[in-house]
Amino acid sequence: GAVVSQHPSWVICKSGTSVKIECRSLDFQATTMFWYRQFPKQSLMLMATSNEGSKATYEQGVEKDKFLINHASLTLSTLTVTSAHPEDSSFYICSAKLGKSDTGELFFGEGSRLTVL
Amino acid sequence: GQNIDQPTEMTATEGAIVQINCTYQTSGFNGLFWYQQHAGEAPTFLSYNVLDGLEEKGRFSSFLSRSKGYSYLLLKELQMKDSASYLCAAMDSNYQLIWGAGTKLIIKP
Repeated sequence: GAVVSQHPSWVICKSGTSVKIECRSLDFQATTMFWYRQFPKQSLMLMATSNEGSKATYEQGVEKDKFLINHASLTLSTLTVTSAHPEDSSFYICSAKLGKSDTGELFFGEGSRLTVL
Repeated sequence: GQNIDQPTEMTATEGAIVQINCTYQTSGFNGLFWYQQHAGEAPTFLSYNVLDGLEEKGRFSSFLSRSKGYSYLLLKELQMKDSASYLCAAMDSNYQLIWGAGTKLIIKP
Protein backbone atom coordinates (compact mmCIF):
# COMPACT_ATOMS: atom_id res chain seq x y z
CA GLY A 1 0.00 0.00 0.00
CA ALA A 2 0.87 3.66 -0.13
CA VAL A 3 3.60 4.76 2.27
CA VAL A 4 4.13 8.16 3.82
CA SER A 5 7.40 8.79 5.61
CA GLN A 6 7.92 11.54 8.14
CA HIS A 7 11.29 12.76 9.42
CA PRO A 8 12.52 13.25 12.06
CA SER A 9 10.53 11.02 14.40
CA TRP A 10 11.85 12.79 17.46
CA VAL A 11 13.37 16.21 17.80
CA ILE A 12 14.45 18.25 20.80
CA CYS A 13 15.40 21.87 20.32
CA LYS A 14 16.10 24.99 22.32
CA SER A 15 13.54 27.74 22.62
CA GLY A 16 13.89 30.28 19.85
CA THR A 17 15.28 27.92 17.25
CA SER A 18 13.50 26.64 14.13
CA VAL A 19 12.71 23.03 13.33
CA LYS A 20 11.84 21.51 9.95
CA ILE A 21 9.75 18.36 9.62
CA GLU A 22 9.56 16.52 6.30
CA CYS A 23 6.67 14.47 4.95
CA ARG A 24 7.31 12.30 1.91
CA SER A 25 5.01 10.07 -0.10
CA LEU A 26 7.36 7.22 -1.03
CA ASP A 27 5.52 5.37 -3.75
CA PHE A 28 2.79 7.70 -4.97
CA GLN A 29 2.22 11.30 -5.90
CA ALA A 30 0.31 13.40 -3.42
CA THR A 31 -1.11 16.67 -4.68
CA THR A 32 -2.62 17.31 -1.26
CA MET A 33 -1.03 16.77 2.13
CA PHE A 34 -2.38 17.67 5.54
CA TRP A 35 -0.55 18.69 8.69
CA TYR A 36 -1.96 17.96 12.14
CA ARG A 37 -0.85 18.44 15.70
CA GLN A 38 -1.98 16.29 18.55
CA PHE A 39 -1.68 16.94 22.26
CA PRO A 40 -1.67 14.02 24.69
CA LYS A 41 -5.02 12.31 25.03
CA GLN A 42 -6.58 14.66 22.47
CA SER A 43 -7.69 14.18 18.89
CA LEU A 44 -5.94 15.35 15.78
CA MET A 45 -6.16 19.06 15.10
CA LEU A 46 -5.85 20.02 11.47
CA MET A 47 -3.33 22.82 11.09
CA ALA A 48 -3.21 23.32 7.36
CA THR A 49 -3.85 21.80 3.96
CA SER A 50 -0.84 21.78 1.68
CA ASN A 51 -1.34 21.75 -2.09
CA GLU A 52 1.57 21.16 -4.43
CA GLY A 53 2.73 24.31 -6.12
CA SER A 54 0.49 26.69 -4.19
CA LYS A 55 0.24 28.30 -0.79
CA ALA A 56 -1.02 26.24 2.09
CA THR A 57 -4.50 26.84 3.50
CA TYR A 58 -4.31 27.35 7.24
CA GLU A 59 -7.05 26.58 9.73
CA GLN A 60 -8.39 29.33 11.91
CA GLY A 61 -6.12 30.12 14.80
CA VAL A 62 -2.98 28.65 13.22
CA GLU A 63 -0.23 31.24 12.67
CA LYS A 64 1.03 30.87 9.13
CA ASP A 65 4.19 32.86 9.86
CA LYS A 66 5.04 30.53 12.70
CA PHE A 67 4.21 27.27 10.97
CA LEU A 68 5.69 27.54 7.49
CA ILE A 69 4.51 24.93 5.03
CA ASN A 70 6.14 24.25 1.69
CA HIS A 71 4.87 21.68 -0.82
CA ALA A 72 7.41 22.06 -3.58
CA SER A 73 6.94 18.68 -5.22
CA LEU A 74 4.33 15.96 -5.56
CA THR A 75 6.14 13.81 -3.02
CA LEU A 76 7.38 16.26 -0.39
CA SER A 77 5.82 18.71 2.01
CA THR A 78 7.70 20.39 4.84
CA LEU A 79 6.53 22.03 8.05
CA THR A 80 8.91 24.49 9.69
CA VAL A 81 8.17 25.58 13.24
CA THR A 82 9.87 28.96 13.49
CA SER A 83 11.15 30.43 16.75
CA ALA A 84 9.84 27.44 18.65
CA HIS A 85 8.64 27.82 22.23
CA PRO A 86 7.83 25.18 24.85
CA GLU A 87 4.10 25.48 24.09
CA ASP A 88 4.86 24.27 20.56
CA SER A 89 5.91 20.91 21.98
CA SER A 90 3.51 18.43 20.45
CA PHE A 91 3.09 15.45 18.15
CA TYR A 92 2.99 16.62 14.54
CA ILE A 93 1.53 14.27 11.95
CA CYS A 94 1.19 14.57 8.20
CA SER A 95 -1.12 12.72 5.86
CA ALA A 96 -1.47 12.50 2.10
CA LYS A 97 -4.23 11.88 -0.39
CA LEU A 98 -3.56 9.38 -3.14
CA GLY A 99 -3.32 11.30 -6.41
CA LYS A 100 -6.15 13.73 -7.02
CA SER A 101 -8.83 11.56 -5.48
CA ASP A 102 -11.35 13.53 -3.47
CA THR A 103 -12.53 10.50 -1.60
CA GLY A 104 -10.91 7.52 -0.05
CA GLU A 105 -8.45 7.02 2.72
CA LEU A 106 -5.65 9.22 3.87
CA PHE A 107 -2.19 7.79 4.39
CA PHE A 108 -0.46 8.99 7.52
CA GLY A 109 3.19 9.53 8.33
CA GLU A 110 4.62 8.07 11.50
CA GLY A 111 4.46 11.42 13.27
CA SER A 112 7.15 13.70 14.67
CA ARG A 113 7.38 14.39 18.37
CA LEU A 114 8.75 17.87 19.05
CA THR A 115 10.04 18.87 22.46
CA VAL A 116 11.08 22.49 22.92
CA LEU A 117 13.23 23.14 25.97
CA GLY B 1 -21.64 24.04 12.90
CA GLN B 2 -19.77 20.87 12.23
CA ASN B 3 -19.48 18.35 15.01
CA ILE B 4 -18.50 14.77 15.69
CA ASP B 5 -19.55 13.01 18.89
CA GLN B 6 -18.21 9.73 20.19
CA PRO B 7 -17.75 8.34 23.69
CA THR B 8 -14.54 9.27 25.47
CA GLU B 9 -13.74 5.84 26.82
CA MET B 10 -15.06 2.29 26.74
CA THR B 11 -14.02 -0.90 28.47
CA ALA B 12 -14.54 -4.43 27.15
CA THR B 13 -13.36 -7.95 27.87
CA GLU B 14 -10.98 -9.97 25.74
CA GLY B 15 -12.93 -12.19 23.34
CA ALA B 16 -16.09 -10.12 23.57
CA ILE B 17 -17.74 -7.72 21.12
CA VAL B 18 -17.80 -3.94 21.43
CA GLN B 19 -19.64 -1.27 19.45
CA ILE B 20 -18.28 2.27 19.29
CA ASN B 21 -20.86 4.83 18.20
CA CYS B 22 -20.32 8.09 16.36
CA THR B 23 -22.80 10.83 15.43
CA TYR B 24 -21.91 13.61 13.05
CA GLN B 25 -23.14 16.94 11.77
CA THR B 26 -21.32 18.32 8.75
CA SER B 27 -21.81 20.77 5.90
CA GLY B 28 -22.42 18.22 3.20
CA PHE B 29 -21.22 14.65 3.48
CA ASN B 30 -18.74 12.62 1.51
CA GLY B 31 -18.15 9.64 3.71
CA LEU B 32 -17.34 8.46 7.20
CA PHE B 33 -13.94 7.11 8.24
CA TRP B 34 -12.75 5.08 11.20
CA TYR B 35 -9.11 5.13 12.22
CA GLN B 36 -7.25 3.25 14.94
CA GLN B 37 -4.53 5.00 16.89
CA HIS B 38 -2.21 3.42 19.42
CA ALA B 39 -0.62 5.74 21.96
CA GLY B 40 2.30 7.66 20.53
CA GLU B 41 1.64 6.48 16.99
CA ALA B 42 -0.06 7.92 13.93
CA PRO B 43 -3.59 6.78 13.03
CA THR B 44 -4.12 3.80 10.75
CA PHE B 45 -7.08 3.46 8.41
CA LEU B 46 -9.80 0.96 9.32
CA SER B 47 -12.85 1.69 7.19
CA TYR B 48 -14.70 4.07 4.91
CA ASN B 49 -18.49 4.19 4.46
CA VAL B 50 -20.36 6.45 2.09
CA LEU B 51 -23.48 4.33 1.50
CA ASP B 52 -25.94 3.21 4.15
CA GLY B 53 -25.37 -0.21 5.56
CA LEU B 54 -22.82 -2.48 7.11
CA GLU B 55 -19.33 -3.08 5.74
CA GLU B 56 -17.56 -6.09 7.18
CA LYS B 57 -13.80 -6.51 7.13
CA GLY B 58 -12.59 -9.42 9.21
CA ARG B 59 -13.14 -8.81 12.90
CA PHE B 60 -14.07 -5.18 12.28
CA SER B 61 -17.34 -3.93 10.78
CA SER B 62 -18.56 -0.40 10.20
CA PHE B 63 -22.13 0.79 9.81
CA LEU B 64 -23.53 4.02 8.41
CA SER B 65 -26.94 5.65 8.46
CA ARG B 66 -26.82 8.92 6.51
CA SER B 67 -30.38 9.90 7.41
CA LYS B 68 -29.54 9.66 11.11
CA GLY B 69 -26.00 11.05 10.88
CA TYR B 70 -24.83 7.95 12.70
CA SER B 71 -22.11 5.37 12.38
CA TYR B 72 -20.68 2.63 14.51
CA LEU B 73 -17.57 0.51 14.54
CA LEU B 74 -18.06 -3.07 15.66
CA LEU B 75 -15.09 -5.05 16.93
CA LYS B 76 -15.53 -8.79 17.41
CA GLU B 77 -13.39 -11.37 19.20
CA LEU B 78 -11.53 -8.63 20.99
CA GLN B 79 -7.81 -9.04 21.50
CA MET B 80 -5.54 -7.20 23.89
CA LYS B 81 -3.83 -5.52 20.91
CA ASP B 82 -7.16 -3.84 20.08
CA SER B 83 -6.61 -1.53 23.05
CA ALA B 84 -6.27 1.83 21.33
CA SER B 85 -8.12 5.01 20.51
CA TYR B 86 -10.66 4.82 17.71
CA LEU B 87 -11.20 8.01 15.75
CA CYS B 88 -14.36 8.76 13.82
CA ALA B 89 -14.03 11.32 11.01
CA ALA B 90 -16.63 12.66 8.58
CA MET B 91 -15.73 14.19 5.24
CA ASP B 92 -17.64 17.37 4.45
CA SER B 93 -18.64 18.94 1.15
CA ASN B 94 -15.14 20.39 0.72
CA TYR B 95 -13.65 16.91 1.13
CA GLN B 96 -12.10 17.92 4.43
CA LEU B 97 -12.14 15.54 7.37
CA ILE B 98 -13.86 16.60 10.57
CA TRP B 99 -12.36 14.55 13.38
CA GLY B 100 -13.96 13.27 16.57
CA ALA B 101 -11.98 13.38 19.79
CA GLY B 102 -11.56 9.62 19.73
CA THR B 103 -12.78 6.77 21.91
CA LYS B 104 -10.21 5.12 24.12
CA LEU B 105 -10.93 1.39 24.19
CA ILE B 106 -9.58 -0.54 27.15
CA ILE B 107 -9.50 -4.33 26.84
CA LYS B 108 -9.42 -6.37 30.04
CA PRO B 109 -8.36 -10.02 30.24
